[in-house]
Amino acid sequence: DVKVTQSSRYLVKRTGEKVFLECVQDMDHENMFWYRQDPGLGLRLIYFSYDVKMKEKGDIPEGYSVSREKKERFSLILESASTNQTSMYLCASSSGGGPRDSPLHFGNGTRLTVT
Amino acid sequence: GEDVEQSLFLSVREGDSSVINCTYTDSSSTYLYWYKQEPGAGLQLLTYIFSNMDMKQDQRLTVLLNKKDKHLSLRIADTQTGDSAIYFCAESINNAGNMLTFGGGTRLMVKP
Repeated sequence: DVKVTQSSRYLVKRTGEKVFLECVQDMDHENMFWYRQDPGLGLRLIYFSYDVKMKEKGDIPEGYSVSREKKERFSLILESASTNQTSMYLCASSSGGGPRDSPLHFGNGTRLTVT
Repeated sequence: GEDVEQSLFLSVREGDSSVINCTYTDSSSTYLYWYKQEPGAGLQLLTYIFSNMDMKQDQRLTVLLNKKDKHLSLRIADTQTGDSAIYFCAESINNAGNMLTFGGGTRLMVKP
């Protein structure tokens, strides 16, 4: 089974702190994604990556950056955390094929609270 | 506004059928998906349908697609308490089918 592991289930940070959210997948997937999930808004794509050192902005990239130095690891960075970044963050990965071969596989999420 | 819309909440009795509805706006979507999220967990792919199909059945799950009305539904037969979860509808926005736009999610509560 594909495993997508997010390093923290819960994080509490202060406004202005730099925050790193880590995600690791063990299936050699090319594609990795960061979403945030807010009640009633569903999942919104922050950033994604099609390959090592490649990154593309999603729908809501403002206030975030990402790093993909190794294929299995995709990090989400909040340079200066703000209270409106309090949310559930979900990492996902997929291989390069279509959904029959490669649906999105999600981690269990990191609930970040910024105070 | 959202490109994919769902109602927020649905409550059914155990053993009844559940129908979760979704509307989307992008007529060029290639695939449409249903994901399930149980408490404290990430999203799990339940099923998907290619846009040139109008129905797909998989055990207790039936997906209906009305492309003209851009309406997708998920029917769960003989709903069980273990089906209680949030269900997300999603449409793909690329041909590979792995760039998704999600709806807001429908919370399904199954009463014993």
